[in-house]
Amino acid sequence: SAVISQKPSRDICQRGTSLTIQCQVDSQVTMMFWYRQQPGQSLTLIATANQGSEATYESGFVIDKFPISRPNLTFSTLTVSNMSPEDSSIYLCSVVGQGTGANVLTFGAGSRLTVL
Amino acid sequence: KQEVTQIPAALSVPEGENLVLNCSFTDSAIYNLQWFRQDPGKGLTSLLLIQSSQREQTSGRLNASLDKSSGRSTLYIAASQPGDSATYLCAVRGGAGTASKLTFGTGTRLQVTL
Repeated sequence: SAVISQKPSRDICQRGTSLTIQCQVDSQVTMMFWYRQQPGQSLTLIATANQGSEATYESGFVIDKFPISRPNLTFSTLTVSNMSPEDSSIYLCSVVGQGTGANVLTFGAGSRLTVL
Repeated sequence: KQEVTQIPAALSVPEGENLVLNCSFTDSAIYNLQWFRQDPGKGLTSLLLIQSSQREQTSGRLNASLDKSSGRSTLYIAASQPGDSATYLCAVRGGAGTASKLTFGTGTRLQVTL
């Protein structure tokens, strides 16, 4: 299965600032997904990052708040803009496997954000 | 809209015990179901994936079953160990193709005690 590297692994941020999270995959993948996991909650899909086109956002998430870049088939970034304490979460990127790992969703280790 | 529920929310068992975690989903028209493990503050590790046409999958001490018609899946852990302590999440995929979304359950937090 794909190996996903995310950074930063954790950060403490001030209210009103923005932070960009990077996701690097060791193989080319068609789609990358960004999830949020708020404290004590399950995972919620933020958006699907498409290479060469704009990301597709889920209901409740907007591009101005969570801009996403996908410059190539192995890399994506998620920015959390104008942060507030409510944005304190773990943010995870994931990809769907190829070949023998097809259909298996693989996750990065996550980026834990705390907004003060 | 698909909803996924996991019961119990938390479970504590002594080492060596066999246990069953439950996952139910409201829309039986699923493509596959995946079980994950999440250690505190970490990402998710895929444990087992069951396609909609399958009844069960096994990996080591883990066995996952799927009853699509009744909207249920179980994860059976045999001879539990303290290292099994983690949160277990199930997720269902609504359709084929990489664009189809996963809906996650709320998780079962498992504690295996010595």
